[in-house]
Amino acid sequence: SQQGEEDPQALSIQEGENATMNCSYKTSINNLQWYRQNSGRGLVHLILIRSNEREKHSGRLRVTLDTSKKSSSLLITASRAADTASYFCATRGGGNKLTFGTGTQLKVEL
Amino acid sequence: GAVVSQHPSWVICKSGTSVKIECRSLDFQATTMFWYRQFPKQSLMLMATSNEGSKATYEQGVEKDKFLINHASLTLSTLTVTSAHPEDSSFYICSSMGQWAGMSTDTQYFGPGTRLTVL
Repeated sequence: SQQGEEDPQALSIQEGENATMNCSYKTSINNLQWYRQNSGRGLVHLILIRSNEREKHSGRLRVTLDTSKKSSSLLITASRAADTASYFCATRGGGNKLTFGTGTQLKVEL
Repeated sequence: GAVVSQHPSWVICKSGTSVKIECRSLDFQATTMFWYRQFPKQSLMLMATSNEGSKATYEQGVEKDKFLINHASLTLSTLTVTSAHPEDSSFYICSSMGQWAGMSTDTQYFGPGTRLTVL
């Protein structure tokens, strides 16, 4: 079964606005990662946050992690039409296996 | 970042035939490779994990005799869908983890995927 649930399932915003996606998971993790997938393409690694970290930034991306609530959020600031894609969180527990969330489909309109 | 390629990018085959998909890590040594399948508008489901030189570990519900995985070298893994049927039509994606100076071993790098359509 899926480890993570993402919310919202779909998000439509205007260019320049911020987009926030949330991910909840069920078991203890070593790290949580966010990936982006353009339609019909492979996944691109965006950012990794470790279980002992609370916040991480990379360019226009900001990720938070709350291990007490077993949740993470991905914020994309000043969104662009090119940010249109599906975004997945993925968690890694004790082994190497990544378990993916259900994904958020983001559409950024001009 | 590390580059992972897949070949072919898409394939159409007749029911009952076998299809082989290759996954290559181009600029690092992939000690572990993963194979996922993804149905339209759904998330990725892990099928199996393979370590170089070892037998693959399959996830529950994945038939190992139907989805043959070979990871014979540090740069190549193959997935063979044997006796394919229409229900095997899906998007198959591989990913790699490895050891390379400057590259985090916590990061998986994904291939571009292979679209399989079984008629």
